[in-house]
Amino acid sequence: TQLLEQSPQFLSIQEGENLTVYCNSSSVFSSLQWYRQEPGEGPVLLVTVVTGGEVKKLKRLTFQFGDARKDSSLHITAAQPGDTGLYLCAGMNYGGSQGNLIFGKGTKLSVKP
Amino acid sequence: DTEVTQTPKHLVMGMTNKKSLKCEQHMGHRAMYWYKQKAKKPPELMFVYSYEKLSINESVPSRFSPECPNSSLLNLHLHALQPEDSALYLCASSQVPGSYNEQFFGPGTRLTVL
Repeated sequence: TQLLEQSPQFLSIQEGENLTVYCNSSSVFSSLQWYRQEPGEGPVLLVTVVTGGEVKKLKRLTFQFGDARKDSSLHITAAQPGDTGLYLCAGMNYGGSQGNLIFGKGTKLSVKP
Repeated sequence: DTEVTQTPKHLVMGMTNKKSLKCEQHMGHRAMYWYKQKAKKPPELMFVYSYEKLSINESVPSRFSPECPNSSLLNLHLHALQPEDSALYLCASSQVPGSYNEQFFGPGTRLTVL
C-alpha cells in the first residue's frame, strides 16, 4: 500500500514568517499534486510536479519534487493570512491506469496577522 | 476553464429519503470521480468513471449509486443513508484516467443525514 506521510500536521505562524511542508513516501510516484482547501470547500489545485528534481514557483510558493520522485516539499516565503488553509499533497500511482490519488493527511496552516 | 460545478451546496436528508448529488464539467475531461471527505481527513475515493463507464468502486455500500449519463455529467444517487454517511462529497475530473493527469475538484456538497 502506497502511503504519503505529510508533516507537520498543524502549523501556526505569524505573518511574514517562512515555512516548509513535507510530503514523504517510500514509494515512487509518477506525479505529485499540491492542493489548498478552505473549510467546507473543495481542494484547489496549486501545482503538479512530474519530473524528479523539478522545482516550480507560484508567487511566494515554491514546490519541489525529489530526485527519486518519492518526496516533495512546499515552501512559503513571507506567509500572509490569506495563505491560511489545509494543504494536501497527493501522489499518483506510478503506472496506475485509473488515476488513483494517494493523499497525505494534510497540513493545517494558520497565519496570524 | 477549469471549473467543476456541484449541486446542491448543502443537503439535509432523513434516513428514508432518496436524493441525488449532481456534478458537471465542460472541460472535455473523460474521467470523473466521487470522493467522500470527513472532517479533518483527506478525501477518500469512492468511484471512478472512465469514458462514461464505471471503472472503480472502492467497496462503497449499495446505498450509494453512481451514474454517468454523459461525458459532462456525474450523479450520485443516495438512498437509505446512515448518519455516519454525513460528510463533504467531492466530485473531480481529469482529462483521462492515468498517471500524469491532474484532477480538478468541485466545491463539494455538504451532506447531513439525520
